[in-house]
Amino acid sequence: AQSVTQLGSHVSVSEGALVLLRCNYSSSVPPYLFWYVQYPNQGLQLLLKYTTGATLVKGINGFEAEFKKSETSFHLTKPSAHMSDAAEYFCAVSEPGANSKLTFGKGITLSVRP
Amino acid sequence: NAGVMQNPRHLVRRRGQEARLRCSPMKGHSHVYWYRQLPEEGLKFMVYLQKENIIDESGMPKERFSAEFPKEGPSILRIQQVVRGDSAAYFCASSTGGTAYEQYFGPGTRLTVT
Repeated sequence: AQSVTQLGSHVSVSEGALVLLRCNYSSSVPPYLFWYVQYPNQGLQLLLKYTTGATLVKGINGFEAEFKKSETSFHLTKPSAHMSDAAEYFCAVSEPGANSKLTFGKGITLSVRP
Repeated sequence: NAGVMQNPRHLVRRRGQEARLRCSPMKGHSHVYWYRQLPEEGLKFMVYLQKENIIDESGMPKERFSAEFPKEGPSILRIQQVVRGDSAAYFCASSTGGTAYEQYFGPGTRLTVT
């Protein structure tokens, strides 16, 4: 069985500061890893994904994440926060294969202070 | 190319009534996934369907819930005899399938049971 842990439920940063959202996973097979963003009353939008290959993955809106197998982590970062980054962020994992359901963490709400 | 469409966006039902949630996948997508988001929780997988087939329903409650994805028309998630605990946001996602894929999410249906 797979699982995702996102420690804490809320992160607050100042505009222009580094954003770091943590994600640890558990999987019995090499996982596929994803970060999604959800704005209020909207669906989820894919920020970035890791499947195979380069472990540093760049996504939309200046976000990136690094897959670290030894730490079973896939932390999301952005060098400089913008007010528009305020949203809820979900880390998810899936097994490679035809049945590729996603297992999500509980999510982290990011607030950006002016 | 229109995205994943879900309707209705908001649905209010009294206890004991039936709820029908519809999902039209993106054009060219034949794989549909349903997820449920309860307050303060991440998304939980419910069911995975391909056209006319249920592939994985391991996340579906054993009673009152059913899903279909007919040859023609949208995918339907049906909840019979709703209870207050069914109040949640229900998201549909679609994909082209395969081992390296992306799931595209709809805006969700927010079900309120009174």
